[in-house]
Amino acid sequence: DQQVKQNSPSLSVQEGRISILNCDYTNSMFDYFLWYKKYPAEGPTFLISISSIKDKNEDGRFTVFLNKSAKHLSLHIVPSQPGDSAVYFCAARDSGGGADGLTFGKGTHLIIQP
Amino acid sequence: EPEVTQTPSHQVTQMGQEVILRCVPISNHLYFYWYRQILGQKVEFLVSFYNNEISEKSEIFDDQFSVERPDGSNFTLKIRSTKLEDSAMYFCASSAGGYTGELFFGEGSRLTVL
Repeated sequence: DQQVKQNSPSLSVQEGRISILNCDYTNSMFDYFLWYKKYPAEGPTFLISISSIKDKNEDGRFTVFLNKSAKHLSLHIVPSQPGDSAVYFCAARDSGGGADGLTFGKGTHLIIQP
Repeated sequence: EPEVTQTPSHQVTQMGQEVILRCVPISNHLYFYWYRQILGQKVEFLVSFYNNEISEKSEIFDDQFSVERPDGSNFTLKIRSTKLEDSAMYFCASSAGGYTGELFFGEGSRLTVL
């Protein structure tokens, strides 16, 4: 049962352009969402988060958008840089008394091409 | 910058053997987690630990698994009798707490069960 879905296993974007990574969720009890970035042989590192009371959160080149009615969030990176090449995981937290850990999507491998 | 450290980075073991994976969380953090990622699959929540006891665990975390914080600094995951399907990267994470507290992950311990 995939509660957090990242339907694109990989995404290739030219350096300088915008990268858009998508994430869908099914559990309506999720009310806090995070994006993590993972390089090979390293653990995931926190990138940006958004609470369900907001629809947008921006931090430098990274912006996360949340559409609660569609149960969809996206991460925008602009402009994309070579160092952004990594696997990006969408994660969600359940306010309804479920596991207090995070539920992760399968990840999207972002490749920034020069 | 404080970080979560994990040992060993890679362990190879025979099926049926016991394995202990060790983690040193960030020193002022109060919440501790274990996740795993089977090759090619998503990062999965195993267990969370707070105030010296398990606060939540997933269905993956069966009787073969246990966690302990023996000395106030280390946080260990023990697998009593390893199975082939336990082969995965195991990530430890810690958090300062609060619902929006981000998780800081270690670099992971790769477990290979033969």
